[in-house]
Formats: sequence, C-alpha cells, structure tokens
Amino acid sequence: GAGVSQSPSNKVTEKGKDVELRCDPISGHTALYWYRQSLGQGLEFLIYFQGNSAPDKSGLPSDRFSAERTGGSVSTLTIQRTQQEDSAVYLCASSSGGNQPQHFGDGTRLSIL
Amino acid sequence: AQSVAQPEDQVNVAEGNPLTVKCTYSVSGNPYLFWYVQYPNRGLQFLLKYITGDNLVKGSYGFEAEFNKSQTSFHLKKPSALVSDSALYFCAVVRSARQLTFGSGTQLTVLP
Repeated sequence: GAGVSQSPSNKVTEKGKDVELRCDPISGHTALYWYRQSLGQGLEFLIYFQGNSAPDKSGLPSDRFSAERTGGSVSTLTIQRTQQEDSAVYLCASSSGGNQPQHFGDGTRLSIL
Repeated sequence: AQSVAQPEDQVNVAEGNPLTVKCTYSVSGNPYLFWYVQYPNRGLQFLLKYITGDNLVKGSYGFEAEFNKSQTSFHLKKPSALVSDSALYFCAVVRSARQLTFGSGTQLTVLP
C-alpha cells in the first residue's frame, strides 16, 4: 500500500533562498508530524497537525520555519531565508492518532550552500 | 520532560548470536515506548511499541523488547541476528498523542 510520500528527495539551494518541502501522508491518517534529522542534533520534533485543531508548533527552531496542512491531507514545510545550519534531512510522519505508530516518509535531504 | 537514552553509539554482534540494543527512559507517569529502525537513506520504520500490558513486546522481523519498570529500561532484543539487521536503531517515548522524543540512536552492525 502507499506510504508517506515526500518530495523532493534531495534539495540543494543557496543560502538566503526560500524552500518548500512537501509531505503526502497515508490516506485517512489524521495526525501529521515533521521532524528534522541532523548529525549534531539527532532527531528533533518540529510541528504536529491533528485534524482541524491548531497545530503544535513548539518545535520550530525559528520564525523562518512555517508549515501548513491543506484539507487535512498534504502538508508543506517552508523555510525562509535558509541558513547553512538548516542543512538536514527533514522527515514527515503520519498516524491514525492516539498512540498509534507513526509512519515515516524517506525524507528530504536539504543542503544549503 | 520525557526523555530516552541509548548508552551505546555502536553495537557489533556476530551473525547468529543474540543481540541487545539498550534504552532507558525518564518519564513521570506511564511511558509509551517505541523502537524504530532506519536503513541508509530511508525513513524510520516502526518495529514495536509498549503501551500497557505484557512487559515482553513482540514486533516485526523477529524483534522483541522487554519493558522493565524498576530499571526504567526498554531494551530491544533478537535471539539470532542477521546481517540484514545492520541498521540504525532508535528508541522513542511519547507522553501524549503527540511528538516522539528520540534517543540518540545505536548503530547495529551484524558481522558475517
């Protein structure tokens, strides 16, 4: 069956540019999460969407980061004015809610030159 | 705040031998614990979870984990390791139906 799909798989951009990362969750999953994986910081939570509730943005590292989830399905993570420290793998996960397991996409590897 | 610790960055084991990947947790109240595995250039794959009930949890690919409340541990085990088990393993905890807090990861290498 279809899993969590993320695009692009790789993104290389210049410092100062804006980037958009896309996540298409498993159909019917109400919860969607964004994480960041980097060598220095490990796996970090960024943001969480649950149904129509206001998102939990407590993990976003700065106001350059934002995310939206349209129609309770696809989500876009936007990073404005990228910095070199934003270089990481950005992982998206979805679940059916509660304490059900989160299912991860293969991530977007972001490299800032 | 909830947290998990994986004290070993690297674990090496011979193929066919039992393997253990260690995890300890620090949570006030009842912990919800998970194990995930990550292969190179892939996302995380769910292996197993402990919510409540039996302390021995069985998961995918022959893995199991034992929840030990007195030692605040949730070690991942497999009776007989395969070379294909070589990967990065993460322990994680969640207090509510929200984000996972991950350990630092343990690189498992199974030697043929």
